[in-house]
Amino acid sequence: DAGVIQSPRHEVTEMGQEVTLRCKPISGHNSLFWYRQTMMRGLELLIYFNNNVPIDDSGMPEDRFSAKMPNASFSTLKIQPSEPRDSAVYFCASSLRRVGTDTQYFGPGTRLTVL
Amino acid sequence: QKEVEQNSGPLSVPEGAIASLNCTYSDRGSQSFFWYRQYSGKSPELIMFIYSNGDKEDGRFTAQLNKASQYVSLLIRDSQPSDSATYLCAVSLAGTASKLTFGTGTRLQVTL
Repeated sequence: DAGVIQSPRHEVTEMGQEVTLRCKPISGHNSLFWYRQTMMRGLELLIYFNNNVPIDDSGMPEDRFSAKMPNASFSTLKIQPSEPRDSAVYFCASSLRRVGTDTQYFGPGTRLTVL
Repeated sequence: QKEVEQNSGPLSVPEGAIASLNCTYSDRGSQSFFWYRQYSGKSPELIMFIYSNGDKEDGRFTAQLNKASQYVSLLIRDSQPSDSATYLCAVSLAGTASKLTFGTGTRLQVTL
């Protein structure tokens, strides 16, 4: 089975531009997570969805960030306008949530550079 | 105080030795504990998870959990150069089974 798919793998943009990152979770999984990883702050959870509904967006840094999950097989993370401090690797992960806990599987990530 | 703390390393061990990676967490209600491995430029991949106090073994890997002392560790026996990576500890906090909080990771170097 295909794992989590993310696109693009690399994105270079200029400050002020809109950036859209895309994620396709593993088929059958019902939870989806967006993370950001930097050297300074490590891996941070931005937002997660369960059954396409946002459950916790407390990690979203500010209003410039938004995320959607219109259906079970697709999610987007949008940054508008982008700033140099947004440069990081953005990971999407998915899991099958069940009683107890769940295992998250990560996509390959999108390396974002904002000039 | 960070919620999940790890020594950043690098931790250097010779090939064939036991590597011991440690992680402490602040929330006593934490339920589940995960170890992920991340190679440079790659995404994190799950090695193992542990829910109950004690040891859990999987091949060369052993996870140890001590909830009273709020720490979890990962032992890697017979370390190989291919084990050189960053190891991330993740904790599922009380009441949020889906929400993982990650430590910043420990970089392990296995030398020949």
